[in-house]
Amino acid sequence: AQSVAQPEDQVNVAEGNPLTVKCTYSVSGNPYLFWYVQYPNRGLQFLLKYITGDNLVKGSYGFEAEFNKSQTSFHLKKPSALVSDSALYFCAVRDRRGGGADGLTFGKGTHLIIQP
Amino acid sequence: GAGVSQSPSNKVTEKGKDVELRCDPISGHTALYWYRQSLGQGLEFLIYFQGNSAPDKSGLPSDRFSAERTGGSVSTLTIQRTQQEDSAVYLCASSRTSESSYEQYFGPGTRLTVT
Repeated sequence: AQSVAQPEDQVNVAEGNPLTVKCTYSVSGNPYLFWYVQYPNRGLQFLLKYITGDNLVKGSYGFEAEFNKSQTSFHLKKPSALVSDSALYFCAVRDRRGGGADGLTFGKGTHLIIQP
Repeated sequence: GAGVSQSPSNKVTEKGKDVELRCDPISGHTALYWYRQSLGQGLEFLIYFQGNSAPDKSGLPSDRFSAERTGGSVSTLTIQRTQQEDSAVYLCASSRTSESSYEQYFGPGTRLTVT
């Protein structure tokens, strides 16, 4: 079975500093990896994805993620954090199930808190 | 354009009652997914529809849960004889197709509270 791990429940970063939210995965075959963000009382919003190609993927709101096959990681990064980046972040992997159906398997989520 | 919509936004029901949750996917999206988000279990995949094909029910937690999708568009998730452990936020998502490369777009969710 495919799985995703987000080792940190919470990450605290001062505004203006770079941020990293960690994600590691375990899949059979080529991974299709995603990051989503959830603001309070809102649904999940797509940030970025890695399917193939360049290991550094750029997404919404200035976020990027680096795919590292040897370390089976897909860490989310941003060069300069904003207070408005404070939210719950989920890493996910596309999970091919029986019959060819695809759902997403999510990590537990990481609370990102940006301090002014 | 319009995103994924879900109704109701909040539902409080008594243990043992049946509930129906509705999802309207983005127009033109053929794939539709239901997930459940709860404190103890995180985000769990429940069920998946691709067009008018039979759904993949592999994630449904029990036979009290069922879902249908009419006309390849609107979907209803039904929970029969609700239990307190069913309390959660139920999220619906849609994507252009079921191909793995396409991202899913999520609705705001229905918060279900079983008393």
